[in-house]
Amino acid sequence: DGGITQSPKYLFRKEGQNVTLSCEQNLNHDAMYWYRQDPGQGLRLIYYSQIVNDFQKGDIAEGYSVSREKKESFPLTVTSAQKNPSAFYLCASSGGPDTQYFGPGTRLTVL
Amino acid sequence: GENVEQHPSTLSVQEGDSAVIKCTYSDSASNYFPWYKQELGKRPQLIIDIRSNVGEKKDQRIAVTLNKTAKHFSLHITETQPEDSAVYFCAASSGNYGQNFVFGPGTRLSVLP
Repeated sequence: DGGITQSPKYLFRKEGQNVTLSCEQNLNHDAMYWYRQDPGQGLRLIYYSQIVNDFQKGDIAEGYSVSREKKESFPLTVTSAQKNPSAFYLCASSGGPDTQYFGPGTRLTVL
Repeated sequence: GENVEQHPSTLSVQEGDSAVIKCTYSDSASNYFPWYKQELGKRPQLIIDIRSNVGEKKDQRIAVTLNKTAKHFSLHITETQPEDSAVYFCAASSGNYGQNFVFGPGTRLSVLP
């Protein structure tokens, strides 16, 4: 999982702003995922992508958007439509449908 | 779709004792069951996994058992140490991507010195 990076580590957003979280991997994995984690809670799937130029909504996609123009990159935009965006965001990748490896996470706080 | 339950939600043990965390799943097509450990503010890290053609797997102080008939699997940690304190997540996957890879809600393990 050392081959997955997320930036920034901490992000502050004013209400009404869109922000983009970066996720990059050099593991040559086809699949990438975005999860949201709230304090004391589990992992909820936002979006996933099995292959370049294709992505699917997860359980809580409303207020979020993604793109997958390169195999290595899967950025997540948190739009102003997301009512409660403050959370810990985790990106993951996998070489197949099984084992997922996680990035270090981005903690987003709305001011 | 798949549903994964995990018990207990919190677990406290004395250092040196054993800890057991149990998960149940609903989709009989699930065939891959990983366990992740997440320390506070850090990323979840894979600690052990098991596939449906195996009943038990062990790695030093950690073991996982799988009962396909009953649709449950368990994580066993022996000789617990303070550094084992973390949140543990189980997951179940049917071999398809995305929403077919489902995490349990997590167990917060505290190892008391």
